[in-house]
Amino acid sequence: EIVLTQSPATLSLSPGERATLSCRASQSVSSYLAWYQQKPGQAPRLLIYDASNRATGIPARFSGSGSGTDFTLTISSLEAEDFAVYYCQQRSNWPWTFGQGTKVEIK
Amino acid sequence: EVQLVESGGGLVQPGGSLRLSCAASGFTFSTYAMHWVRQAPGKGLEYVSAISSSGGSTYYANSVKGRFTISRDNSKNTLYLQMGSLRAEDVAVYYCARKSPIFGVADIWGQGTMVTVSS
Repeated sequence: EIVLTQSPATLSLSPGERATLSCRASQSVSSYLAWYQQKPGQAPRLLIYDASNRATGIPARFSGSGSGTDFTLTISSLEAEDFAVYYCQQRSNWPWTFGQGTKVEIK
Repeated sequence: EVQLVESGGGLVQPGGSLRLSCAASGFTFSTYAMHWVRQAPGKGLEYVSAISSSGGSTYYANSVKGRFTISRDNSKNTLYLQMGSLRAEDVAVYYCARKSPIFGVADIWGQGTMVTVSS
């Protein structure tokens, strides 16, 4: 099973700041890496698929990069609605797995 | 509107069984692979099971293999998860999700149904 390790666990930032979230895989997942956003009481929302492609309707301030084992989600300028938990997820091998999440909180 | 609505969650005793359902609407259900993902209270997300569009291929997490069965009825636009030999560690919100053939991952999720295992 591929283990995804996200860092940091918590990111405390102010609106307008840049957020950089990391996801590292225990083995190569090529570019088969997605990012989801989850707010309390809600289902996850797909942001990025295949490492760097924004899903439909996702604002341009969200971007993804990386391949192999190291990936990054960047939020260029945080807006109030971006404070949430973010998960990376690989679809290279079954079982598909998620990282443990990074919480982006208001500083 | 594309929608997934789960039902069937509730309280069950350890060792008991429960069947979850997920009703799909607003898209051609029979052409999409479907997934079940769960989230224990205050914890992260875990893939539980997946099924191909025809139902001919199924996949399970090691933690539920042999205890859970995924199935679908394309004539009823409904996905199922039959859960047996339930344990305390199965307590979670269970989400059904549609796999996008374009994105390769789940793009539409239901609101989830809570499963509690307790005596």
